[in-house]
Amino acid sequence: DIQVTQSPSSLSASVGDRVTITCRASQDINNDLAWFQQKPGEAPKSLIYASSTLQPGVPSKFSGSGSGTDFTLTIASLQPEDFATYFCQQYDSYPFTFGPGTTVDIK
Amino acid sequence: EVQLLESGGGLVQPGGSLRLSCLVSGFNFRSYATNWVRRAPGKGLEWISSISSSGTTTHYAESVKGRFTISRDTSKNTLYLQMNSLRAEDTAVYYCAKDGSGWKPIDSWGQGTLVTVSS
Repeated sequence: DIQVTQSPSSLSASVGDRVTITCRASQDINNDLAWFQQKPGEAPKSLIYASSTLQPGVPSKFSGSGSGTDFTLTIASLQPEDFATYFCQQYDSYPFTFGPGTTVDIK
Repeated sequence: EVQLLESGGGLVQPGGSLRLSCLVSGFNFRSYATNWVRRAPGKGLEWISSISSSGTTTHYAESVKGRFTISRDTSKNTLYLQMNSLRAEDTAVYYCAKDGSGWKPIDSWGQGTLVTVSS
């Protein structure tokens, strides 16, 4: 099975900060990498697929990059609504696996 | 508008069974793969099962293989998850989720239903 790790596990940031989260797969997954956002008590929200393609309706302050085994999610200018937990997921091969998550909270 | 509405969660004893349902609308159920994903208290998201758009192929996480069964009834626009031999570690919010077209991952989620396994 493909293992997925994320770093950091948590970070504190201020409104307006640029934030970068890293996701690493244990083997080459091409660009079959998605990002999701989840706020407490809410369902997850799909942000990005194919490493860098935004889902419809997702603001352009979110961006993704990477291929192979190393990927990043960047939030250009953190806003109050962006404080949440972010998960990456590889969907290159079953079983699909999520990273452990990165919690972004207010500094 | 795509909608997925889960039901069937609740409290069940260890070793017991439960069937979750997910009523979908706003898209052609026969054209998209659908999934179950869970999040246990204090843990991250865990993908647990998928069924293909044709309904002929299913996949499971090792943690539930042999105990859980995914299925669907296209005439009722409903996705199911039959859960048997439940364990305390199956306690979680269970989400149904729809894939995008082609080889694309989840693009829409239900609100979730809570399953608690406890005596």
